[in-house]
Amino acid sequence: NAGVTQTPKFRVLKTGQSMTLLCAQDMNHEYMYWYRQDPGMGLRLIHYSVGEGTTAKGEVPDGYNVSRLKKQNFLLGLESAAPSQTSVYFCASQSGVYEQYFGPGTRLTVT
Amino acid sequence: EDQVTQSPEALRLQEGESSSLNCSYTVSGLRGLFWYRQDPGKGPEFLFTLYSAGEEKEKERLKATLTKKESFLHITAPKPEDSATYLCAVRTQDYKLSFGAGTTVTVRA
Repeated sequence: NAGVTQTPKFRVLKTGQSMTLLCAQDMNHEYMYWYRQDPGMGLRLIHYSVGEGTTAKGEVPDGYNVSRLKKQNFLLGLESAAPSQTSVYFCASQSGVYEQYFGPGTRLTVT
Repeated sequence: EDQVTQSPEALRLQEGESSSLNCSYTVSGLRGLFWYRQDPGKGPEFLFTLYSAGEEKEKERLKATLTKKESFLHITAPKPEDSATYLCAVRTQDYKLSFGAGTTVTVRA
């Protein structure tokens, strides 16, 4: 099993550009999450999904959109990137009420 | 509002020097406290889940304990490979975790 994978690993955007981050899991988990991690602030939840076709806002959703068209994939979109969105983005998946499994992260820089 | 506070922010240890990390929490209804390890440039890796006060879990040189207000991660006789950032998180609703900012542990040989 590959677990949770994320693409791309690194990306540099100019202000105003758009992009999509892809998360895939092969563990048949119902729940999937997108977090951002900034120095000194820990992991903050952006959006999450409790099943295929469903999404919900987390703690810091502004400027991001998500979609979960297939159970194994969770996409995070930035429609108009801003320097404040420079961060490391992590995807995670969870089965039932058990622990979350994290991907390796995407390092995004917006200039 | 749910709050998770970890201390200290950073901890420098000599190899073999045991110590403890603290995670204090304020939540409306705890449904699990989680410890993760994160190496530089990588995603968090699950270590332990604790559900009720008095519960303890062990893995190699790590031992996690839980009270009604805080959790401790004890590192016994650490080695350089134990150097990492340790994250604490609490679950209050079935689907979501709230994370602390982490404690970065550096173990010198």
